[in-house]
Amino acid sequence: GQQLNQSPQSMFIQEGEDVSMNCTSSSIFNTWLWYKQDPGEGPVLLIALYKAGELTSNGRLTAQFGITRKDSFLNISASIPSDVGIYFCAGHNYGQNFVFGPGTRLSVLP
Amino acid sequence: DTEVTQTPKHLVMGMTNKKSLKCEQHMGHRAMYWYKQKAKKPPELMFVYSYEKLSINESVPSRFSPECPNSSLLNLHLHALQPEDSALYLCASSQDPGYNSPLHFGNGTRLTVT
Repeated sequence: GQQLNQSPQSMFIQEGEDVSMNCTSSSIFNTWLWYKQDPGEGPVLLIALYKAGELTSNGRLTAQFGITRKDSFLNISASIPSDVGIYFCAGHNYGQNFVFGPGTRLSVLP
Repeated sequence: DTEVTQTPKHLVMGMTNKKSLKCEQHMGHRAMYWYKQKAKKPPELMFVYSYEKLSINESVPSRFSPECPNSSLLNLHLHALQPEDSALYLCASSQDPGYNSPLHFGNGTRLTVT
């Protein structure tokens, strides 16, 4: 079946730094979603991408739908302590269910 | 605040108990989902309801029994569970089943089977 890889698996950064993470697949997708999950809570939708090459922002977050349709990228600018959590990507093709990546765990050092 | 509401937030049950998890959404979404999530892992799909009908069962053991009483409600009935079934159970909804409408998750029920 389709599988997604996320890189890095985990990262520690200093508050105020910019963060980059990505999601890759051997298959193409028509939709990419990015979620953030805090401990004890459900995943919260951050950004949805529907078109190859699309670049979408949500506050300090920016995500891009890769041109090959096999990858997506998430950037966080000027990180703050509340950015701590697990970031999941999810890919989708019509008529199929969403496939989730294994997640990137972000920890921020004060 | 999440627009998908799950109750209870925490549940501890013995292996012989029968319990139910409940989920409610009022966004007019036509697809509802149950996911199971183990620690440090992504959500795993269990069931999909499309227009109140079960459309997908991802080979889930029969000790988990879903029910969709109406378009806003989704239940998961639990019976004779095993300790390895302990996990975070997430409910989600989306506008259209099978299409690329994003999933909206509830905050989950943390289930512990003793």
